[in-house]
Amino acid sequence: KQEVTQIPAALSVPEGENLVLNCSFTDSAIYNLQWFRQDPGKGLTSLLLIQSSQREQTSGRLNASLDKSSGRSTLYIAASQPGDSATYLCAVRPSYNTDKLIFGTGTRLQVFP
Amino acid sequence: SQTIHQWPATLVQPVGSPLSLECTVEGTSNPNLYWYRQAAGRGLQLLFYSVGIGQISSEVPQNLSASRPQDRQFILSSKKLLLSDSGFYLCAWTRRGVGSEAFFGQGTRLTVV
Repeated sequence: KQEVTQIPAALSVPEGENLVLNCSFTDSAIYNLQWFRQDPGKGLTSLLLIQSSQREQTSGRLNASLDKSSGRSTLYIAASQPGDSATYLCAVRPSYNTDKLIFGTGTRLQVFP
Repeated sequence: SQTIHQWPATLVQPVGSPLSLECTVEGTSNPNLYWYRQAAGRGLQLLFYSVGIGQISSEVPQNLSASRPQDRQFILSSKKLLLSDSGFYLCAWTRRGVGSEAFFGQGTRLTVV
């Protein structure tokens, strides 16, 4: 059974720091992995989607990497800003023949001025 | 561009009352549609998904049901709510075909009292 873990559960950093959020999954046979952002009381905003054949994806100050063999993905946030404060969730799609996403419990990030 | 609408944003219902949450997607056709629930301190759990009108798959046994009366409309229902049905309900869609990026609505906060 696929399980997704995100460490740390919470993180508080000063503005300007570069951050790394971690996502681990127990079964390396995934189809893709998606990172989301969730603001308090709101829905999920898609940040990056990495297919299993890819090693990384970039969008602005965000860079997500994927190492299937070790069951890990990292989300790198460069030059963090207070507006980056939110909960970050990763989710894996276990296989080709399913659209089901399995989510981690998230990392709650606070960036203070 | 595609948008997903979910309503209501907040709902307080007494135990034993019925429930109807609605989700619609605009700007695309034949989407895959999903209902997830997010309980406090826990990850998102897939409740139902649909690959077409009238086609519903249930992931977990529960007090809820789903229907898809139109291509871009997905409804979550209950005949009699339980306290344990409280939570944050999120609708999502992906393009037809496996491996597509998932997009989420803004969610409905349901409190059963």
